Amino acid sequence: AQTVTQSQPEMSVQEAETVTLSCTYDTSESDYYLFWYKQPPSRQMILVIRQEAYKQQNATENRFSVNFQKAAKSFSLKISDSQLGDAAMYFCAYRDSGGGADGLTFGKGTHLIIQP
Amino acid sequence: GAGVSQSPSNKVTEKGKDVELRCDPISGHTALYWYRQSLGQGLEFLIYFQGNSAPDKSGLPSDRFSAERTGGSVSTLTIQRTQQEDSAVYLCASSLALSYYNEQFFGPGTRLTVL
Repeated sequence: AQTVTQSQPEMSVQEAETVTLSCTYDTSESDYYLFWYKQPPSRQMILVIRQEAYKQQNATENRFSVNFQKAAKSFSLKISDSQLGDAAMYFCAYRDSGGGADGLTFGKGTHLIIQP
Repeated sequence: GAGVSQSPSNKVTEKGKDVELRCDPISGHTALYWYRQSLGQGLEFLIYFQGNSAPDKSGLPSDRFSAERTGGSVSTLTIQRTQQEDSAVYLCASSLALSYYNEQFFGPGTRLTVL
């Protein structure tokens, strides 16, 4: 079974600074997707960014970018110019292209605190 | 509607009672998913629907849990004889199709508290 590990339960960063959230995963599949979701106190999960495993180029969405290291099975999220609205729980998630359950496998999450 | 909606937002029930949680997916989305978020277990995938069909129910925590979807739209997650360990936030998501590259859009969840 696939597993996703987020080793940082909580991270704190000063507003306007850069922060990196870590994620590692374990899979025997070669074709899959990785995601970062944000969950603010409203509970609604919001997709931040996603990466296709067969694409070598790291995905970027405005201030959010990833460092995808397929051989190392690592998928970190970098948030540049942190803003107060970035404060939330961040979840790393995995989904493979094969059959089976077809749900997302999530890590335990990282609570991101933005210091004004 | 514009997004996935879930009702009720919060539900408090007594141990042993049955509860029904409702999910309205985004119009036109054929795939629908249920997840459970609890302090102890984190986010767990429970079940998915392709249209009205749920091919794999092995992710449901026990036989007290059941889910159905009608008309390819609204889905209901039913928990019978609720236990305190069922207390969690139940999240629903939908996507345009079942393919792994389709983004899943999440609802705000239902917080279930079993006393």
